[in-house]
Amino acid sequence: DAKTTQPPSMDCAEGRAANLPCNHSTISGNEYVYWYRQIHSQGPQYIIHGLKNNETNEMASLIITEDRKSSTLILPHATLRDTAVYYCIVRVYGSGGSNYKLTFGKGTLLTVNP
Amino acid sequence: DTEVTQTPKHLVMGMTNKKSLKCEQHMGHRAMYWYKQKAKKPPELMFVYSYEKLSINESVPSRFSPECPNSSLLNLHLHALQPEDSALYLCASSRQRTGGNTIYFGEGSWLTVV
Repeated sequence: DAKTTQPPSMDCAEGRAANLPCNHSTISGNEYVYWYRQIHSQGPQYIIHGLKNNETNEMASLIITEDRKSSTLILPHATLRDTAVYYCIVRVYGSGGSNYKLTFGKGTLLTVNP
Repeated sequence: DTEVTQTPKHLVMGMTNKKSLKCEQHMGHRAMYWYKQKAKKPPELMFVYSYEKLSINESVPSRFSPECPNSSLLNLHLHALQPEDSALYLCASSRQRTGGNTIYFGEGSWLTVV
C-alpha cells in the first residue's frame, strides 16, 4: 500500500469546518483513499473512501485532487465529539492477498475546542 | 448495521493463565481480522481469516492462537502471555466480494497481563 503523510495534530473551533489534509504522492491507479477515525479508547470508525471523485456522506466530505496525490477530509461543522485521531489510508479496493491489509500510519490528532 | 461485537471489554490475566477474546458479527462478512494496538500507537494487523480459513499471520508469536469456528465468530486464544502483550485488541470484519470490502472494527478488548 502507498504511504501517506498527515500532520501530527490540528486544532479546530467548535462549529467550524475541520479540513484534514493527507499526502499520498505514490498512490497507484487502483488504490482508494480511506479515512478512519479513532476516538480515545474506542475502535477505529470508518468515515469515507473514494477513488478520484469527490465523495460526501452523512459524516464528512472527501476531496481528492485531480492528480490523486493528495486529499482533504472535511468535517463541515466540527463538534467536541469529533476530537479524535484521523487516519488516512490508501489501499486496493478488492479482496484477496495483501488487499486484506489496512495499514495505519500515525494519523492526525484533531482537537475541537469550545 | 455495521456492528462488530467484542467480549470481554476488559481482561486482566496472569502470565500462566489461559484466556480467550471473542468477536462476533452478523453482517454476512466472510473476512475477519485481529489487530493489536499499543498505547499511543496505530493498530497493527495480527491475523486475517477468509472464509473461515487463516489467510494472513503477521508473524505473531504462538502464544496467540486464533480460531474461526464459523463465519460469524472469531476467537483469539491467549496463553503464557507476557506483560508487554498488554494492549487493546481489535476485531474487524469485511465483505469478500470485489464490490466492497470496507473494514469495520469493534470497540476492542483491553488486555492487561500481570
